[in-house]
Amino acid sequence: EVQLVESGGGLVQPGGSLRLSCAASGFTFSSYSMNWVRQAPGKGLEWVSYISSSSSTIYYADSVKGRFTISRDNAKNSLYLQMNSLRDEDTAVYYCARDRRRYSSGRDAFDIWGQGTMVTVSS
Amino acid sequence: QSVLTQPPSASGTPGQRVTISCSGSSSNIGSNTVNWYQQLPGTAPKLLIYSNNQRPSGVPDRFSGSKSGTSASLAISGLQSEDEADYYCAAWDDSLNGPWVFGGGTKLTVL
Repeated sequence: EVQLVESGGGLVQPGGSLRLSCAASGFTFSSYSMNWVRQAPGKGLEWVSYISSSSSTIYYADSVKGRFTISRDNAKNSLYLQMNSLRDEDTAVYYCARDRRRYSSGRDAFDIWGQGTMVTVSS
Repeated sequence: QSVLTQPPSASGTPGQRVTISCSGSSSNIGSNTVNWYQQLPGTAPKLLIYSNNQRPSGVPDRFSGSKSGTSASLAISGLQSEDEADYYCAAWDDSLNGPWVFGGGTKLTVL
């Protein structure tokens, strides 16, 4: 079964750091570009970051640029999001999502989503 | 304020046909394809339509998508109670807004 499972969420104080992980299974992880998408409580979806299959291309939303770092370990079938200098407005459920086609260069739909992990930034 | 504009709500009765609009600009919908996602209450989003009008395997043909200029639409025919969900449009944006932008979402209520 094709599956993405996020972990690492929790409660953190403003200015703190957190590292999210996304474990992939059931498909050849190294062939697919990946994304992080977040959803604040009661709000809509917001794309956060993209990483290509080989990590050669990375994009960030302006709202997280300079604070968040996306990475992946294809040997461990895992995607990561290092979040630093966290702010109240970063409070959200964070989803990892797969690009639909293998070796896509972005511009592709997200066909597999994880169940999400909740990040709460509060003092 | 989302880059793509959707109506916040829509409704219909079982069996009815409903449409949800998504309005953008030349840098996103006008020059790239549109994807639609369905989010049932308390669950993760699910890909419903990609490349304007393509359905992934397993998505009923009651769901259809279209695009014209800088706007797109999602149509649901033969509305069913299980279609009650939030629907989001998304497109790649070639401007500083991007690269990916979403609509604010439309909550569909089946009366």
